[in-house]
Amino acid sequence: QVQLLESGPGLVKPSQTLSLTCTVSGGSINSVGYKWSWIRHLPGKGLEWIGYISYSGTTDYNPPLRSRFTISGDTSKNQFSLKLASVTAADTAVYYCARRVVGASRRFDYWGQGTLVTVSS
Amino acid sequence: QSVLTQPPSASGTPGQRVTISCSGSTSNIGSNTVNWYQQLPGTAPKLLISSDNQRPSGVPDRFSGSKSATSASLAISGLQSDDEGDYYCEAWDDRLMRPVFGGGTKVAVL
Repeated sequence: QVQLLESGPGLVKPSQTLSLTCTVSGGSINSVGYKWSWIRHLPGKGLEWIGYISYSGTTDYNPPLRSRFTISGDTSKNQFSLKLASVTAADTAVYYCARRVVGASRRFDYWGQGTLVTVSS
Repeated sequence: QSVLTQPPSASGTPGQRVTISCSGSTSNIGSNTVNWYQQLPGTAPKLLISSDNQRPSGVPDRFSGSKSATSASLAISGLQSDDEGDYYCEAWDDRLMRPVFGGGTKVAVL
């Protein structure tokens, strides 16, 4: 059973950089056929895909968010991370990591529990 | 504003059948498969239906998915109190080149 667990600060000050980590167990981020994703749920709005890193290390981002987000992976720790620069109150959200199955039947098949990030001074 | 359109709420009494719609366009639902996710209170989203109508292992057959042209539907039959939560549709969008979600539908069991 694949499990994902987000970790990081729950409170970040405006203009600072947010850093979150997703630790994966029961599966390897090196496994062919998957992309390791970050998704956020903004208050009162739906889910928003941020981006993902593939098993080969390539990244892709939601175009409107591309300039502010960075996703990286650490295969030695079986973790992948998200950095968001210059946060504002509009970035307050629950952040999820999830595994994306690639191919014709693409889907997010496993999700982390989510971590609430509040941007406030 | 979500790319896929869902009703904000749906409700039914125990045992009833509830249907949730998800409306999109030719660039998403019209040309790619649809997935549905269930988010119960205080928990992470869980894959409920994949590839329009496939139930992952462990998902009861009370849940079913269908698709026609640029719209998809999730049906919950034999509604139970444990089904209360939020339900989201998702599909790949060929024009935006990313996965897109619906705004979510909150299901209440009366």
